Amino acid sequence: AQKITQTQPGMFVQEKEAVTLDCTYDTSDPSYGLFWYKQPSSGEMIFLIYQGSYDQQNATEGRYSLNFQKARKSANLVISASQLGDSAMYFCAMRENYSGGSNYKLTFGKGTLLTVNP
Amino acid sequence: NAGVTQTPKFQVLKTGQSMTLQCAQDMNHNSMYWYRQDPGMGLRLIYYSASEGTTDKGEVPNGYNVSRLNKREFSLRLESAAPSQTSVYFCASSISGDASEQFFGPGTRLTVL
Repeated sequence: AQKITQTQPGMFVQEKEAVTLDCTYDTSDPSYGLFWYKQPSSGEMIFLIYQGSYDQQNATEGRYSLNFQKARKSANLVISASQLGDSAMYFCAMRENYSGGSNYKLTFGKGTLLTVNP
Repeated sequence: NAGVTQTPKFQVLKTGQSMTLQCAQDMNHNSMYWYRQDPGMGLRLIYYSASEGTTDKGEVPNGYNVSRLNKREFSLRLESAAPSQTSVYFCASSISGDASEQFFGPGTRLTVL
């Protein structure tokens, strides 16, 4: 079963508008973390934002915010005031305990390709 | 401060050839990881090393071996390359295994003919 689901293969947004990229997850680990990474066409993976499962408030980093709804198991990324440079692939990922102990692994979704139109 | 570096950036192999992908980090991180990225699949964990001297299998370890040479370096070896191993390989590191952020290298694009 897929642990991280990103249902939007592609999204379009007008420059300066806000956009929400969806991510749902599935885990039985009570202590988990959720990440969003950006991958521009150049290929590097850029960390954007992190939300811990016990964090009471939604994470924010500049124009990025994470809409964390724990009961619904969703962790949507909101980008405000989109810029042309935001055009990229966006990956949601979950950190969960792996093989017990203190080892963790990241599981990635398949990504959403965001295109910002001028 | 280079962060995470990977060599080579590109490589073409013939089926059956072997090669080692190199990864090094200069952030004094304890944990290191190898992922592969295939079209439409996102990133999948191949192997990881929670700390120097330890390595563990990830989601797709078959056909690969790893070596945590020291705290800085974590190499990935393909003993007998197959076309199914054509992919982009990313190395990453984090302060610890439960860190809130993994830092990624620029990737190695590998083609196996």
